[in-house]
Amino acid sequence: AQTVTQSQPEMSVQEAETVTLSCTYDTSESDYYLFWYKQPPSRQMILVIRQEAYKQQNATENRFSVNFQKAAKSFSLKISDSQLGDAAMYFCAYRSYGNSGGSNYKLTFGKGTLLTVNP
Amino acid sequence: DAGVTQSPTHLIKTRGQQVTLRCSPKSGHDTVSWYQQALGQGPQFIFQYYEEEERQRGNFPDRFSGHQFPNYSSELNVNALLLGDSALYLCASSIGVRPHGAFFGQGTRLTVV
Repeated sequence: AQTVTQSQPEMSVQEAETVTLSCTYDTSESDYYLFWYKQPPSRQMILVIRQEAYKQQNATENRFSVNFQKAAKSFSLKISDSQLGDAAMYFCAYRSYGNSGGSNYKLTFGKGTLLTVNP
Repeated sequence: DAGVTQSPTHLIKTRGQQVTLRCSPKSGHDTVSWYQQALGQGPQFIFQYYEEEERQRGNFPDRFSGHQFPNYSSELNVNALLLGDSALYLCASSIGVRPHGAFFGQGTRLTVV
């Protein structure tokens, strides 16, 4: 079974600064996907960024980027130029590559990191 | 384009009762998954529906059951409610094997008293 660990229950950052959230995972699979989701107080989980394990290049989405280290099973999220709207709970998630039968698409989440952005 | 919609948004039930939660997936999505998120925790996978069949199930008792309809919408039923079932229930939809990640609804907050 896959596990996802987020070792930082809480993090804080000053507005306009950069912050990195950590995530490690355990799996015996070679093909999989990793995600970072943001959950603001509105409760809706919002996909921030996605990484395919077979891609060596780190994914980037505007101010969000990841540092994917497959051998170390590490997947950290870097938020640059932090904004007040970035304040939320951030979850790292793992998903198996899956198969054409439509099964094994579940997401396995970490416990989350609460990010506070200080003005 | 409407995203994933869940109803109701909040619900209060008494221990021992039964509850049904509903989810309409994002347009074009055919796979629906349900997650339970206890306070201060990450979501835990309950089960997943594809082509009207339960394809995968997490570590939840049989009191948790579901259904997917031909229009891909889904229901989550919980029987014999326990106090520990109080949580945020999230529905997520996706397109089969597409690796774009799931889109989530805003959840149903269930309180069991």
